[in-house]
Amino acid sequence: GQNIDQPTEMTATEGAIVQINCTYQTSGFNGLFWYQQHAGEAPTFLSYNVLDGLEEKGRFSSFLSRSKGYSYLLLKELQMKDSASYLCALIYGNNRLAFGKGNQVVVIP
Amino acid sequence: EAGVTQSPTHLIKTRGQQATLRCSPISGHTSVYWYQQALGLGLQFLLWYDEGEERNRGNFPPRFSGRQFPNYSSELNVNALELEDSALYLCASSPMGGPNEKLFFGSGTQLSVL
Repeated sequence: GQNIDQPTEMTATEGAIVQINCTYQTSGFNGLFWYQQHAGEAPTFLSYNVLDGLEEKGRFSSFLSRSKGYSYLLLKELQMKDSASYLCALIYGNNRLAFGKGNQVVVIP
Repeated sequence: EAGVTQSPTHLIKTRGQQATLRCSPISGHTSVYWYQQALGLGLQFLLWYDEGEERNRGNFPPRFSGRQFPNYSSELNVNALELEDSALYLCASSPMGGPNEKLFFGSGTQLSVL
């Protein structure tokens, strides 16, 4: 089985940097995704990590530490449109994909 | 290029009825996944179809079933509906089998069971 833990909500100011954490316990780790989901919309892909380290993509970066069972998504220069739920998704075991409950980020002016 | 399309957008049923949800993947994608997103819960994996066959199934009772057609579109059927089946049902597709592939999600079908 697997367990994925994400904080439920955070508020940040426009222009700031926010770090969204995801911790997990699993057997047979095969990779980790981050998805963004705006209210009432479909989740959209942000990043994929399979090896330890930081992957940078514009304002968004994702970090993975397999030994610690830990990942984070870093959002820089926050914009109002970044208000959304950020979902951590774990690939484990026999080609299974499990999502965390998501972290709701609220960006305020 | 058209994205993943789902129909209907909203569906209202009563307890005990049956619901059928439909999904058309992105052209060229052979894998289709179904997820349930209930209020306050994360996306729960339901089913994965690839090349017309069921490849994997989540921890849901047998009254949740589906199929994939030769054109790779898919149908999710929920029999004997219960109140707790009320949720957003998301379909996703990927170019080939395996969850290591990035998923492209549809906008979902909001199922309400009264």
